[in-house]
Amino acid sequence: EVQLVESGGGLVQPGGSLRLSCTASEFSVSLNYMTWVRQAPGRGLEWVSVIYTSGSTYHADSVKGRFTISRDNHKNTVYLQMNSLRTEDAAVYFCAREEGGYFDLWGQGTLVTVSS
Amino acid sequence: EITMTQPPVTLSISPGERATLSCRASQSVSSNLAWYQQKPDQPPRLLMYGASTRATGVPARFSGSGSGTEFTLTISSLQSEDFAVYYCQQYNNWPWTFGQGTKVEIK
Repeated sequence: EVQLVESGGGLVQPGGSLRLSCTASEFSVSLNYMTWVRQAPGRGLEWVSVIYTSGSTYHADSVKGRFTISRDNHKNTVYLQMNSLRTEDAAVYFCAREEGGYFDLWGQGTLVTVSS
Repeated sequence: EITMTQPPVTLSISPGERATLSCRASQSVSSNLAWYQQKPDQPPRLLMYGASTRATGVPARFSGSGSGTEFTLTISSLQSEDFAVYYCQQYNNWPWTFGQGTKVEIK
């Protein structure tokens, strides 16, 4: 089955770090644009980061310099390294496959809580 | 950054009735507009892309229209499983941005 499974969420203190993982099944992350989209509790959707097939990466201004997206082709997994976490980063983080700008496959999401 | 607006925040509609959802862009996004459906504790599901092309497996009662700055998602006859939150998303100008969503609730 074609799917994405995220992991790595949890409770972290402000200023802390967390690494999220997204493992794909039945397709290659290296041959697709892979993104992270987040959703704060009771809020809308916010695009966070993308990694292109070329390996180029881009991040939203709100996380630039703090978050890094990467991938491991052998593990068929995409990562989001989140440093210097702020309370406003608390959200469900979804991994998604991007197809020409829209997102055609989503994982179930992993919850990140930032609190002291 | 393009701002996507989705009035109203909530639509109350009876099962079997027609639902018309709106999405407005702060500047033209051509037809580079997608719609998603999200139910509680689930990820978004792609419904429509290119403003009017249904994604795989999406029932024909869903249709999309519009271009430029004004878009509409229509559900011809609401079924119980259609009560959810609907988001639009533009992918014409990076960064891609989403509307705040319209919740379709049972009247």
